[in-house]
Amino acid sequence: KAGVTQTPRYLIKTRGQQVTLSCSPISGHRSVSWYQQTPGQGLQFLFEYFSETQRNKGNFPGRFSGRQFSNSRSEMNVSTLELGDSALYLCASSLGTKGEKLLFGSGTQLSVL
Amino acid sequence: TQLLEQSPQFLSIQEGENLTVYCNSSSVFSSLQWYRQEPGEGPVLLVTVVTGGEVKKLKRLTFQFGDARKDSSLHITAAQPGDTGLYLCAGVQTGANNLFFGTGTRLTVIP
Repeated sequence: KAGVTQTPRYLIKTRGQQVTLSCSPISGHRSVSWYQQTPGQGLQFLFEYFSETQRNKGNFPGRFSGRQFSNSRSEMNVSTLELGDSALYLCASSLGTKGEKLLFGSGTQLSVL
Repeated sequence: TQLLEQSPQFLSIQEGENLTVYCNSSSVFSSLQWYRQEPGEGPVLLVTVVTGGEVKKLKRLTFQFGDARKDSSLHITAAQPGDTGLYLCAGVQTGANNLFFGTGTRLTVIP
């Protein structure tokens, strides 16, 4: 069974640009959650999508957005990038039941210069 | 303010030693999970505890969920270099849906 796939693996952008990250969940999983990981703040929840609908949202500005397609693949977008957006962005897939385990991808390392 | 505080933040020990990592909160959780993350990878689930006072063992790792479901601990016996990594606790608050992660404990086991 293929794992959770995130692309690209690494990304370098400059301030003011926008970026789109992609996540393909495990086959059969309908929930995709996105997290931002930084050395200072740890893992922070961005949002969760389930069956193409945003089900939960963390405390991030509107520059951070996402969507989910009918095949459960998900994208997240960050507009008007800031230096502080440099982080490892992780996506996790699950069947969607509350409290169940999350299966994480290897992440996209975003550097904003 | 982090919902889940882990201690210690960093831990460096010799192979064969024992260690305990703590995960504390003032909130009650319906369940709590422990993950390990290695450099360049996403976190991998080790265990889920759901009942207050529950103890689970996974080979040399022992996980305990506090009676009040506000805290948890991870004890590793006879640590090995392969145990090196970032250990994260994560909990689902009662009444909520998403998982909150702890601040993390970075463990280094020296051969």
